[in-house]
Amino acid sequence: QKEVEQNSGPLSVPEGAIASLNCTYSDRGSQSFFWYRQYSGKSPELIMSIYSNGDKEDGRFTAQLNKASQYVSLLIRDSQPSDSATYLCAVNHSSASKIIFGSGTRLSIRP
Amino acid sequence: DAGITQSPRHKVTETGTPVTLRCHQTENHRYMYWYRQDPGHGLRLIHYSYGVKDTDKGEVSDGYSVSRSKTEDFLLTLESATSSQTSVYFCAIDAGGVNTGELFFGEGSRLTVL
Repeated sequence: QKEVEQNSGPLSVPEGAIASLNCTYSDRGSQSFFWYRQYSGKSPELIMSIYSNGDKEDGRFTAQLNKASQYVSLLIRDSQPSDSATYLCAVNHSSASKIIFGSGTRLSIRP
Repeated sequence: DAGITQSPRHKVTETGTPVTLRCHQTENHRYMYWYRQDPGHGLRLIHYSYGVKDTDKGEVSDGYSVSRSKTEDFLLTLESATSSQTSVYFCAIDAGGVNTGELFFGEGSRLTVL
């Protein structure tokens, strides 16, 4: 079992709709969770971090964390074509200073 | 922006040759990471460092070694490159401080092993 799992997609969402990206993790002791966005041919960039159960909102982005279910999600409201990218879920492993990434979900926003 | 540069940005080499990739930071951050990225695998951690001369293995460390003799430089070495090590290599620093997980990435080094 991979430590961090994501559906590879592609996930196609119409412009203006809500995009929902999901991630599960296996290390129950993990405390820190992150979403990174990566445009094709570019480096990943951090867009959200979340540390406690519940929702965290930042502009059009909402991260949701459920530690009991070992589940993290990212919602993007009012999706724009510029949101088309690969979204990487990352988890700070509890036993060491390791940041482990999922394989990413490719999101495509169609006009 | 945290100053982080990788070199070389592109390299083509032959199987069996040694290769060293360099990551240089200007911000004095303690934590540094090397990842590789391949289609379908996302980012996989190779090695990381939590200080000068303090390093540890990641998920895919076989065939790689690292060194950190100065805070600003983290070197990744392939002692004898193989075709399976053809990949894009990203260096990252923990820009949030001490092991926050808030990584800032370099631009990547594309390595092709023939």
